[in-house]
Amino acid sequence: TQLLEQSPQFLSIQEGENLTVYCNSSSVFSSLQWYRQEPGEGPVLLVTVVTGGEVKKLKRLTFQFGDARKDSSLHITAAQTGDTGLYLCAGARSSGTYKYIFGTGTRLKVLA
Amino acid sequence: DTEVTQTPKHLVMGMTNKKSLKCEQHMGHRAMYWYKQKAKKPPELMFVYSYEKLSINESVPSRFSPECPNSSLLNLHLHALQPEDSALYLCASSQVSNRLSSEAFFGQGTRLTVV
Repeated sequence: TQLLEQSPQFLSIQEGENLTVYCNSSSVFSSLQWYRQEPGEGPVLLVTVVTGGEVKKLKRLTFQFGDARKDSSLHITAAQTGDTGLYLCAGARSSGTYKYIFGTGTRLKVLA
Repeated sequence: DTEVTQTPKHLVMGMTNKKSLKCEQHMGHRAMYWYKQKAKKPPELMFVYSYEKLSINESVPSRFSPECPNSSLLNLHLHALQPEDSALYLCASSQVSNRLSSEAFFGQGTRLTVV
């Protein structure tokens, strides 16, 4: 059972456009991470959000955690070709030890 | 330093071979993880170690055998694998249970091909 659904699955946009990726779940998470992954490489951590309603900015990227800590969004302003990659959200669930459950992924391609 | 180091980067093995994947971190993290990622899919959790003890096994076949010799090292021993086990194997580490520092850091992965 996939606990975290991301949308859209694929996105192809022109350089300079804005976009939003969504990560939705019916479960509550202790925290939520966003990663970016290049082909054949490991996921690279972009941000962690912990508090419901939290908003974090990383240059042109804005991350938001839902009030109920069940969903999150990633907004990219003025996309660049270097933003191309697989974006993954991962929810942390704790039962003593954290267990990180990945979302279904959003594959972004930014065209020059 | 948020580095998790995995070796080897690439591995090709036959179905009768025995091989090991290695993972190392020096962030003082006491939780370490193995994930498996098939092409065009998200990573799937295999094992979690907490304080060098196996705490989660996601019903992984016994041909995969994890080992945590100390707080910095994590191994995955492979034996009698099948071609469908070919995938990117990812190691990660995190704090055990601090919500404010609950992110996991991943290694570069080992690309495993079973022939």
